[in-house]
Amino acid sequence: QKEVEQNSGPLSVPEGAIASLNCTYSDRGSQSFFWYRQYSGKSPELIMFIYSNGDKEDGRFTAQLNKASQYVSLLIRDSQPSDSATYLCAVRNGGYNKLIFGAGTRLAVHP
Amino acid sequence: DGGITQSPKYLFRKEGQNVTLSCEQNLNHDAMYWYRQDPGQGLRLIYYSQIVNDFQKGDIAEGYSVSREKKESFPLTVTSAQKNPTAFYLCASSGTSGRGSAYEQYFGPGTRLTVT
Repeated sequence: QKEVEQNSGPLSVPEGAIASLNCTYSDRGSQSFFWYRQYSGKSPELIMFIYSNGDKEDGRFTAQLNKASQYVSLLIRDSQPSDSATYLCAVRNGGYNKLIFGAGTRLAVHP
Repeated sequence: DGGITQSPKYLFRKEGQNVTLSCEQNLNHDAMYWYRQDPGQGLRLIYYSQIVNDFQKGDIAEGYSVSREKKESFPLTVTSAQKNPTAFYLCASSGTSGRGSAYEQYFGPGTRLTVT
């Protein structure tokens, strides 16, 4: 079982819709959770992080964490074509700041 | 404006040659990291350093070496012992000063290495 799992996609949504990206992790001791956006050929850009159960909102983005079920999700409201990218989920567990990355979900927002 | 720089953007080498990738940051971050990304895969940790003159192996350190002589710099050498060196190499940093908390890692633009 992979430590951090994401559906590879592509997830296709129409412009203006809500895109929902999901991530599950295997280590119950995981403490911090991150979402990165990566455009094709570019490096990952941190867009959200969440450390506590519940929701965290930042503009059009909402991160949701459920530690009991071991999943974290990212919602993108009012999706735009510029949101089309691969979204990487990363999880920190253990005492040191080591991140375990999922393989990413490719999101395609069509006009 | 603070950030992380990596050079060069593209690098081509012949098999059997060592190559060094540069990573510099002016965020005053204590920790720095090197990752490798292969097509369709997540990032994998090669080496990390929490403090100057100290570094630890990550999950795939074989065939790589690093140094951390200055806080700002964390160069990665890909040696001829690395069996599949062609990949996208990403440097990141994290710290409590400047941008972010100690847990958030910020990435440089990456170096795409091709070995033939």
